[in-house]
Amino acid sequence: GAVVSQHPSRVICKSGTSVKIECRSLDFQATTMFWYRQFPKQSLMLMATSNEGSKATYEQGVEKDKFLINHASLTLSTLTVTSAHPEDSSFYICSARRPGLAGVEQFFGPGTRLTVL
Amino acid sequence: KQEVTQIPAALSVPEGENLVLNCSFTDSAIYNLQWFRQDPGKGLTSLLLIQSSQREQTSGRLNASLDKSSGRSTLYIAASQPGDSATYLCAASQGGKLIFGQGTELSVKP
Repeated sequence: GAVVSQHPSRVICKSGTSVKIECRSLDFQATTMFWYRQFPKQSLMLMATSNEGSKATYEQGVEKDKFLINHASLTLSTLTVTSAHPEDSSFYICSARRPGLAGVEQFFGPGTRLTVL
Repeated sequence: KQEVTQIPAALSVPEGENLVLNCSFTDSAIYNLQWFRQDPGKGLTSLLLIQSSQREQTSGRLNASLDKSSGRSTLYIAASQPGDSATYLCAASQGGKLIFGQGTELSVKP
């Protein structure tokens, strides 16, 4: 199956700093990637849709100035959490969309655990 | 607005049992329905994807069904094993997005 990587897998930072998370599609080109966050024991909530070469589309309630998304190439999207605070601590997961044998599918990265002290 | 619900939230069974996980969705206008597995602290592994025109998909001991008219999907796991212990998530694809249920946390006891 398609492979999506995320880096870093785990990051701890101080309150007020910015953190960048990378999402890469390793063996296919992805014009569309997605960013989700997941709180403990809860489901994935879509934050934004990242489109290569254009602005990201944010879901209602997600601050676009706080969660900066850049999709500069067909294999890389980045999420920058600016001025992070403890309430931003969460598990962030990206996915990349591509046509598969069973139709258009999303392939997920392994996730990034962010802890803001 | 599409809402996806999974029942039960948690399930514990002895090894060898067959089991069914349930997923319901409120809007039947979906593109497809996917089932995922998530191990603690890990990302998602896709198990099965059912297109809106299909009724079921099978992979090994897993069988997923889809009934769009009633807004339901089930994931059947045959002869469960301790290695099946994980959280199982269903997601409905609509408008190019995936809407996830809350998941069913499965524990298979040896």
